[in-house]
Amino acid sequence: EDKVVQSPLSLVVHEGDTVTLNCSYEVTNFRSLLWYKQEKKAPTFLFMLTSSGIEKKSGRLSSILDKKELFSILNITATQTGDSAVYLCASHTNSNSGYALNFGKGTSLLVTP
Amino acid sequence: NAGVTQTPKFRVLKTGQSMTLLCAQDMNHEYMYWYRQDPGMGLRLIHYSVGEGTTAKGEVPDGYNVSRLKKQNFLLGLESAAPSQTSVYFCASSRFGGGSTDTQYFGPGTRLTVL
Repeated sequence: EDKVVQSPLSLVVHEGDTVTLNCSYEVTNFRSLLWYKQEKKAPTFLFMLTSSGIEKKSGRLSSILDKKELFSILNITATQTGDSAVYLCASHTNSNSGYALNFGKGTSLLVTP
Repeated sequence: NAGVTQTPKFRVLKTGQSMTLLCAQDMNHEYMYWYRQDPGMGLRLIHYSVGEGTTAKGEVPDGYNVSRLKKQNFLLGLESAAPSQTSVYFCASSRFGGGSTDTQYFGPGTRLTVL
């Protein structure tokens, strides 16, 4: 059974701290790994990772994939209160029934002033 | 360009009632999906569609039906609502089925409570 596990489940940090969110996956027919940010409404897309070792970066956020060890990390540097959200990781696979996107349970991040 | 929209935003049903959730996208996407999100469970795929006139089951399809009569719309039906279907429902769409540059775009969600 395909599985995506995120850790930690929740995290509280102070503004300015750097955080690392983890996502491990055990899936068949892996195609890509996606990160989303969810702030009380619709998840918004952050990154899609398909190749090992290539960092994707957007401002203070960055992410990297390790296809050998089957995990990805999401880094946020110089955190701000606006970074408070649930961060979702999902694996995209090709299954016999077609397309599938498996989500982890998310990491709830709270950044305090 | 509204992206993905969902109707209604909130709904309260009594056990046994039926309802239909509407999802619409204006991005000419081929793929559309319905997820439910429950506390501590993450997002789980209910049904999806790979094109107009097609539907397929996801991870948790029981108690739901879907239809994709038009490319831009994906309907999720509950024929006889149960309290276990209390959840937040998200619709999403993607251009294709997840190529190297593809991603899913989500609607704002529908909060459904079944009493």
